[in-house]
Amino acid sequence: DAGVIQSPRHEVTEMGQEVTLRCKPISGHDYLFWYRQTMMRGLELLIYFNNNVPIDDSGMPEDRFSAKMPNASFSTLKIQPSEPRDSAVYFCASTNHGRTDTQYFGPGTRLTVL
Amino acid sequence: KQEVTQIPAALSVPEGENLVLNCSFTDSAIYNLQWFRQDPGKGLTSLLLIQSSQREQTSGRLNASLDKSSGRSTLYIAASQPGDSATYLCAAENPDRGSTLGRLYFGRGTQLTVWP
Repeated sequence: DAGVIQSPRHEVTEMGQEVTLRCKPISGHDYLFWYRQTMMRGLELLIYFNNNVPIDDSGMPEDRFSAKMPNASFSTLKIQPSEPRDSAVYFCASTNHGRTDTQYFGPGTRLTVL
Repeated sequence: KQEVTQIPAALSVPEGENLVLNCSFTDSAIYNLQWFRQDPGKGLTSLLLIQSSQREQTSGRLNASLDKSSGRSTLYIAASQPGDSATYLCAAENPDRGSTLGRLYFGRGTQLTVWP
């Protein structure tokens, strides 16, 4: 298996622009997570899905952030409009069931908002 | 809310040393405690997962212990090698409202450098 795939790996954009990050989870995994990592706050959970349904989005910082999972093999995290403080590394992770298994992380997308 | 703390924040040791990384958590109602490794510019890789009913897990030169009552976990690395250089993060998985799946709370990590 190719593991969790994220694209793009790097994104540089200007403040106010829309940014879309993409994730393909490991085939057969039914949970998908979006995390954000910054020097100031460490690794934070933004939102997670179970069987394509959002379960907990309490970590989404504000309405500028939205996430979708239209099918079991694809998810997007969108920021509109982007701000410099959104600069971070965004990780996607997936797992195949409950609390007995760990999560498998993608390589991350490094976002820089100028 | 669960808070996870890791000490030290950074550690630099010569090759061959045995070392211990520490992790503490505030809420003992965990499902499990996990240790991850993160290499620069890459995602996290799971190293060890200790269920709440377990005391320790071992994988090769790595041994992780869990003392749930005191809210502590340690990662022991034997005979360290330069290839062990990375950031090590611990994460506590706690019950999450509305879901049978727990939620991971991460520490800030310990940045380890092993020099030849």
